[in-house]
Amino acid sequence: EAQVTQNPRYLITVTGKKLTVTCSQNMNHEYMSWYRQDPGLGLRQIYYSMNVEVTDKGDVPEGYKVSRKEKRNFPLILESPSPNQTSLYFCASSFGSSRSGANVLTFGAGSRLTVL
Amino acid sequence: AQTVTQSQPEMSVQEAETVTLSCTYDTSESDYYLFWYKQPPSRQMILVIRQEAYKQQNATENRFSVNFQKAAKSFSLKISDSQLGDAAMYFCAYSRGGSQGNLIFGKGTKLSVKP
Repeated sequence: EAQVTQNPRYLITVTGKKLTVTCSQNMNHEYMSWYRQDPGLGLRQIYYSMNVEVTDKGDVPEGYKVSRKEKRNFPLILESPSPNQTSLYFCASSFGSSRSGANVLTFGAGSRLTVL
Repeated sequence: AQTVTQSQPEMSVQEAETVTLSCTYDTSESDYYLFWYKQPPSRQMILVIRQEAYKQQNATENRFSVNFQKAAKSFSLKISDSQLGDAAMYFCAYSRGGSQGNLIFGKGTKLSVKP
């Protein structure tokens, strides 16, 4: 089944304890991205990657790191989490700029993160 | 910068009736895509419908259709014959052509369906 898999789905942690949210897709997509969703704010992009070893900042990158060493994986790293990073996180992926499926994102199921 | 505005934080519709969710956007680009995503209580993001800006014809998917007014930069979603399973948060989103998937989302409209 074609899908984007995120782990963990739920996590409660404490301020300053480094954590990684993994994201993997099995569709051979070039593009991958991370969003965070907060009540009343919709989804906001954190980081994205156009391909292996190519990453760039989105709208809210502060406090996050990413890497894209393999095409299928795009982990999100919180080096020193703070309470304002409590949120629902989504990983998503898509093909490159082929016209037939351009810009159509497939989302993971979401990861609920709470930082105390 | 591109922006997406959903002016209705909450909407309600009677089962079997029709409801329209509003979305406006701002862009100076000519090549772009517009989307409606549904987020049920499961939190999964589900693509409802996609519209390519260069296409004049409004997109439709079964009971879901859009009214795309390019000059007015308006992209509303019409849900016909509403069902209980349509209850969800609906997000309007914009993506510039060639950006591969950098979506800009509106803040969402929570739709309730009354039996």
